[in-house]
Amino acid sequence: EAAVTQSPRNKVAVTGGKVTLSCNQTNNHNNMYWYRQDTGHGLRLIHYSYGAGSTEKGDIPDGYKASRPSQENFSLILELATPSQTSVYFCASGDWRGQNTLYFGAGTRLSVL
Amino acid sequence: SQWGEENLQALSIQEGEDVTMNCSYKTYTTVVQWYRQKSGKGPALIILIRSNEREKRSGRLRATLDTSSQSSSLSITGTLATDTAVYFCATRSGSFNKLTFGAGTRLAVCP
Repeated sequence: EAAVTQSPRNKVAVTGGKVTLSCNQTNNHNNMYWYRQDTGHGLRLIHYSYGAGSTEKGDIPDGYKASRPSQENFSLILELATPSQTSVYFCASGDWRGQNTLYFGAGTRLSVL
Repeated sequence: SQWGEENLQALSIQEGEDVTMNCSYKTYTTVVQWYRQKSGKGPALIILIRSNEREKRSGRLRATLDTSSQSSSLSITGTLATDTAVYFCATRSGSFNKLTFGAGTRLAVCP
């Protein structure tokens, strides 16, 4: 069974603080993604990666950085968190050979106060 | 129907009814994927349809794709309370590896 694990599941941060969200996948997929989901809206792509060492900007990258140190791990970094970044964040992995079906983690609920 | 920055659509029906959700997309795609997200979980793929298919069935699910109008639909027959979820369509846009999701349809099936 495909597995994507996110940590932490819940996080409360202060404005201006640094936040790191972590994601680990055991699917051996090349591609990994970070999305955010806000109430009443769909999933919006923040950053993605084609493999270890690569990161690409998605549709809403401002205020976020990403890091892909290995095939299995993909992190999302908020250097200076703001209240507008309060959201639910989802990590996913995918393989283009499988029509790039995405396998999602359970999400991280982030509140920036 | 759902797409882009449109607000989430909401439907409420009784168990046993059939339902159809619509999705329109803006750019050429070779496949439309439909995901279901249950409360507190991440989305999960339930059916995908390729551009050379007009219809795809999987159990109680039926997806259609009209490339000329750039639209897709997802139908569920004989709904169950467990079908209560948010349903998203997703397409590949631009880069082969980048999926773009619609705003979603929130479906509530009442027992």
